[in-house]
Amino acid sequence: AQTVTQSQPEMSVQEAETVTLSCTYDTSESDYYLFWYKQPPSRQMILVIRQEAYKQQNATENRFSVNFQKAAKSFSLKISDSQLGDAAMYFCAYRSGRGSTLGRLYFGRGTQLTVWP
Amino acid sequence: DTGVSQNPRHKITKRGQNVTFRCDPISEHNRLYWYRQTLGQGPEFLTYFQNEAQLEKSRLLSDRFSAERPKGSFSTLEIQRTEQGDSAMYLCASREGSIEAFFGQGTRLTVV
Repeated sequence: AQTVTQSQPEMSVQEAETVTLSCTYDTSESDYYLFWYKQPPSRQMILVIRQEAYKQQNATENRFSVNFQKAAKSFSLKISDSQLGDAAMYFCAYRSGRGSTLGRLYFGRGTQLTVWP
Repeated sequence: DTGVSQNPRHKITKRGQNVTFRCDPISEHNRLYWYRQTLGQGPEFLTYFQNEAQLEKSRLLSDRFSAERPKGSFSTLEIQRTEQGDSAMYLCASREGSIEAFFGQGTRLTVV
């Protein structure tokens, strides 16, 4: 079974600074997707960024970027120019690839990000 | 609002009572998922529907839990004879061909 590990239960960053959240995963599959979701106190899970395993280029979405190391099974999230609104719980998630018809997500335990003014 | 809608947002029930939650996915999304999230944990998969067919159930879904998706539209999750260990946030997500799933705001269940 696939497992996702987030080793940092809590992280903090000063506003406007950069922070990196870590995620590792374990899988025997070669085709899969990786995601970072944000869950603010309102509790709705919001997609931050996604990465297809077959793509070598790291995904970027505005201030958010990932460092995808497929061989190391590592998928870290970098948040640049942190803003107060970035404060939330961040979850790393894994999904089997295009050959899978199910598409369930496997989540890590999350990293609580605090942003200090 | 065209997002995933879940009702109720909060439910407090006495141990032993039955509860039912509803999820309305994004229109025309044929895939629907239920997850359970306890405090300090990431969401855990419960069950998956493709249209009206329930294609996968987690071992977490004991025989006290049942989910339906009549006509492939909204879905309901029922918990019978609730126990304190059922207290959690129940999340619904849907997708249609797209890679990412879209989540609702969840139903927080408290069993007293």
